[in-house]
Amino acid sequence: EAQVTQNPRYLITVTGKKLTVTCSQNMNHEYMSWYRQDPGLGLRQIYYSMNVEVTDKGDVPEGYKVSRKEKRNFPLILESPSPNQTSLYFCASSWTSGANTGELFFGEGSRLTVL
Amino acid sequence: QKEVEQNSGPLSVPEGAIASLNCTYSDRGSQSFFWYRQYSGKSPELIMFIYSNGDKEDGRFTAQLNKASQYVSLLIRDSQPSDSATYLCAVRNSGYALNFGKGTSLLVTP
Repeated sequence: EAQVTQNPRYLITVTGKKLTVTCSQNMNHEYMSWYRQDPGLGLRQIYYSMNVEVTDKGDVPEGYKVSRKEKRNFPLILESPSPNQTSLYFCASSWTSGANTGELFFGEGSRLTVL
Repeated sequence: QKEVEQNSGPLSVPEGAIASLNCTYSDRGSQSFFWYRQYSGKSPELIMFIYSNGDKEDGRFTAQLNKASQYVSLLIRDSQPSDSATYLCAVRNSGYALNFGKGTSLLVTP
């Protein structure tokens, strides 16, 4: 089954404790991206990657890191989480060419609470 | 700032009626336009995409694009309670990233 898998789905942590949210896709997509979704603010892009070893900042990159060492994986790292990073996080992926270019496939979301 | 604007709603329509959802965008260089549906607590799922001016129909859904007016809409015919969700308009510009609107909440009442 084609899917984007995120882990953990739910996490409560404390300020300053490093955490990583993993994302893996099995569709051989070149493009991967992280979004956060907050009430009243909609979906905002954090980072994206056009392919292995190629990453770039989105609209709200502060406080986050990413890496793309393998095509299928795109982890999101919070080095020192703060309460304002409490949010619902989505990983998404897509092809970059062909008839379905631009169609994003989303993971199920990771709800993060930072105390 | 490349903006995508949607009325937040809620838009309430009776079952069986046509729901009309609207979206405007600021970047004239925008290439592709998408409508996603998101149920509460779930991830967005793609309903329609449209690249050219005019209408595109898929079942009960019709996407309409007017690049001159920088306007894209989604019509849902014969609305069902199961259509109650938030609808996200997304626009891809000359780059690759999708810019999302904040979404319109649709409520279909039995």
